[in-house]
Amino acid sequence: DIQMTQSPSSLSASVGDRVTITCRASQDISYYLSWYQQRPGKAPKLLIYDATSLETGAPSRFSGSGSGTDFTFTISSLQPEDTATYYCQQYDNLPPSFGQGTKLEIK
Amino acid sequence: EVQLVQSGAEVKKPGESLKISCKGSGYIFTNYWIGWVRQMPGKGLEWMGVIYPGDSDTRYSPSFQGQVIISADKSITTAYLQWSSLTASDTAMYYCARLGGIEASDPSGNWGQGTLVTVSS
Repeated sequence: DIQMTQSPSSLSASVGDRVTITCRASQDISYYLSWYQQRPGKAPKLLIYDATSLETGAPSRFSGSGSGTDFTFTISSLQPEDTATYYCQQYDNLPPSFGQGTKLEIK
Repeated sequence: EVQLVQSGAEVKKPGESLKISCKGSGYIFTNYWIGWVRQMPGKGLEWMGVIYPGDSDTRYSPSFQGQVIISADKSITTAYLQWSSLTASDTAMYYCARLGGIEASDPSGNWGQGTLVTVSS
């Protein structure tokens, strides 16, 4: 199985800040990477797929970059409603695997 | 509008069997994979497996192979996740999700609301 490692595991930032989360795959996964947001008590929500494509309806402040083994998820200007845990997921190989999550809090 | 509606919370005893459901609507049920994801209390997301209702092709994560059964009844556009003998370690929230593409590994843009399964003596 492909292992996905996210960092940091948690972070705290202020409204308006630029926030970056990284995800590293244990092997080359090309661009087959997605990012999900999970608010407390809610189901996950797809934000980014194919490493850089914004899911329909997701705010444009969310973006993704990277290919191969190293990926980045960015929130350009943090909003209060962005309090959530964020997960990366590779889907190059079965079984798709998630990172351990990054818990984002607002200062 | 695509909707996935899951069955309600369950409280079971160790050794009991269980089948939870996920009803899809708003799309052609037989044309998209449906998967199941486990989230244990306070933990991350784990991909369990998927089924293609059109031909019942089913794929499991090695971690869940033999532990659960995924099935679907296309006549009522419903997918299922079942256990024959629950243990306390099955206590978790279980989500169903519709995959967005043609591959069994594709990301999921539509999720059910989750079914909480509690196993306790």
